[in-house]
Amino acid sequence: AQSVTQLGSHVSVSEGALVLLRCNYSSSVPPYLFWYVQYPNQGLQLLLKYTSAATLVKGINGFEAEFKKSETSFHLTKPSAHMSDAAEYFCAVSDRNSGTYKYIFGTGTRLKVLA
Amino acid sequence: EAQVTQNPRYLITVTGKKLTVTCSQNMNHEYMSWYRQDPGLGLRQIYYSMNVEVTDKGDVPEGYKVSRKEKRNFPLILESPSPNQTSLYFCASRRDLWDEQFFGPGTRLTVL
Repeated sequence: AQSVTQLGSHVSVSEGALVLLRCNYSSSVPPYLFWYVQYPNQGLQLLLKYTSAATLVKGINGFEAEFKKSETSFHLTKPSAHMSDAAEYFCAVSDRNSGTYKYIFGTGTRLKVLA
Repeated sequence: EAQVTQNPRYLITVTGKKLTVTCSQNMNHEYMSWYRQDPGLGLRQIYYSMNVEVTDKGDVPEGYKVSRKEKRNFPLILESPSPNQTSLYFCASRRDLWDEQFFGPGTRLTVL
């Protein structure tokens, strides 16, 4: 069955430093891939998505992610962290092997930005 | 404004008292889902619906019911809530199967 792994449940970076949040998926058939962000007391909102076009995907708020088929990865990066980036981030896949394109979420990474 | 709404946002109840959490979307989306979010477990799908009167179980359906009588509404029903259903619940919708999902603001449920 398809699975999603997010390494590191908590990540801390200094303001202005590089943000790198890791996501690996398990399917041999590249799924559709998404990153969502959840701010406190809010629902999830889409940061970016990969749907088999360009492998480098740009999203909102300066985030981007690179799809690497050979590594089955879709890591999220931002060159310079801002205090407002503190939130929980979820990687998700839409499994093309399932007839319903079932969404499978990672367990989330909580990003802390230090002043 | 395109949105998914849920009500109530917060609910404290007691074991065995039936409750319904409403979900409505104004984007004419075919596909809707319910998730629960628990610390360390991410989001897990409870039920989903691919159209009016078409629903199916997700990964954790025990203790929940849903219905889809209208395209815009997808209520979640807990017939006899138990403390292990204390969680944060999200409703979501999407236009097509391969699209991103739009999430409601969440309902924080506590069952005593």
